[in-house]
Amino acid sequence: TQLLEQSPQFLSIQEGENLTVYCNSSSVFSSLQWYRQEPGEGPVLLVTVVTGGEVKKLKRLTFQFGDARKDSSLHITAAQPGDTGLYLCAGDVQGTDRGSTLGRLYFGRGTQLTVWP
Amino acid sequence: DAMVIQNPRYQVTQFGKPVTLSCSQTLNHNVMYWYQQKSSQAPKLLFHYYDKDFNNEADTPDNFQSRRPNTSFCFLDIRSPGLGDAAMYLCATSREGGRWVSTDTQYFGPGTRLTVL
Repeated sequence: TQLLEQSPQFLSIQEGENLTVYCNSSSVFSSLQWYRQEPGEGPVLLVTVVTGGEVKKLKRLTFQFGDARKDSSLHITAAQPGDTGLYLCAGDVQGTDRGSTLGRLYFGRGTQLTVWP
Repeated sequence: DAMVIQNPRYQVTQFGKPVTLSCSQTLNHNVMYWYQQKSSQAPKLLFHYYDKDFNNEADTPDNFQSRRPNTSFCFLDIRSPGLGDAAMYLCATSREGGRWVSTDTQYFGPGTRLTVL
């Protein structure tokens, strides 16, 4: 069972277009991270969101955490070929007793973004 | 700089020949993770250590073992590699605050690309 559903799985667009990637769950998360991974490298952290409704911006990237902390989105404005990569969301499950989930983050399947010049 | 180091970056082994991948960290994080990632897919968690406590994912094959002799080092042993085990293996660390506190961000190493001949 996939705790975090990421969509779309693949996205191929032209340079200059805008795009949004979604990360959804029925579970509440204490925090949610977005990573970008290039071929042959490990994922690199882009942002961590913690507060419901929080919006963070990183140049042309805008990240939003849902009010209920069950979902998040990544919006890229005027995409560039350098934005190409695998985008991953990962969440830490909230709970008064996290028991067996202690120390564990749940990853979405990822969105493979290709931006063509 | 503090970081997560993986050696080697590329490993070639023969079908059935045991192989060990290593990971070290200078972040002094108490949680360490091993992921398997195949092409254009999200990382799949194999197991993680919370301090010395080993947590195996239910679907991790018995062929995969891990050791954590101290805080800084963690090893992934593949006892009898098959062709299907060819993948990128990622090590990650995080600082876990405890049962009631959310997991800190995961920091990934660059990965080891395993080829099985």
